[in-house]
Amino acid sequence: EIVLTQSPATLSLSPGESATLSCRASQGVSSDLAWYQQKPGQAPRLLIYDASNRATGIPARFSGSGSGTDFTLTISSLEPEDFAVYYCQQRSNGRTFGPGTAVDIK
Amino acid sequence: EVQLVESGGGLVQPGGSLRLSCAASGFTVSSNYMSWVRQAPGKGLEWVSVIYRGGSTYYADSVKGRFTISRDNSKNTVYLQMNSLRAEDTAVYYCARDLCSSTRCYPAFDHWGQGTLVTVSS
Repeated sequence: EIVLTQSPATLSLSPGESATLSCRASQGVSSDLAWYQQKPGQAPRLLIYDASNRATGIPARFSGSGSGTDFTLTISSLEPEDFAVYYCQQRSNGRTFGPGTAVDIK
Repeated sequence: EVQLVESGGGLVQPGGSLRLSCAASGFTVSSNYMSWVRQAPGKGLEWVSVIYRGGSTYYADSVKGRFTISRDNSKNTVYLQMNSLRAEDTAVYYCARDLCSSTRCYPAFDHWGQGTLVTVSS
């Protein structure tokens, strides 16, 4: 079973700063990795699929990179609405999610 | 417009059963990959089950043998039959659709329902 690890668990930043979130897979997953944003009381929203493709309607400040076992989600300049929890997800024996990274206001 | 609407959640005793429904509109469930994802209170996301276009199904180890995913093409609806429920199954259950282009489907959920709460407690 492939396990996803996300770091850091919490990222405290100010609006306008850049955020770098990491997701590591215990085995290679090629580029089959997605990123989601979730705010309290809401369903998750797809940000990135296939490791680096932005989903429809996602602002350009969100970018994804990586392949194999190491992946990164970068938010180039945090807007107030970007403070949320971010999950990575891959396909292996179905689908699995990472534990999440909370981006909160410093 | 793509829409997913879950229903069927509620309070159930340990050992009991519940069937969740996910009514889809704006697309055909039989042409897509459909999953159930759950989120326990204050916790992260946990994938539960998927049904592929051809009808193949897969389950998380935590629910294998107790949950069954199915679909009714005539109703354009996906179901999750949950048996032998445990306290740890308490969660909001979301229905979600894989992102599909004209040539392939990606293991990424581009549409989600609003979720339905399942509480397992005596």
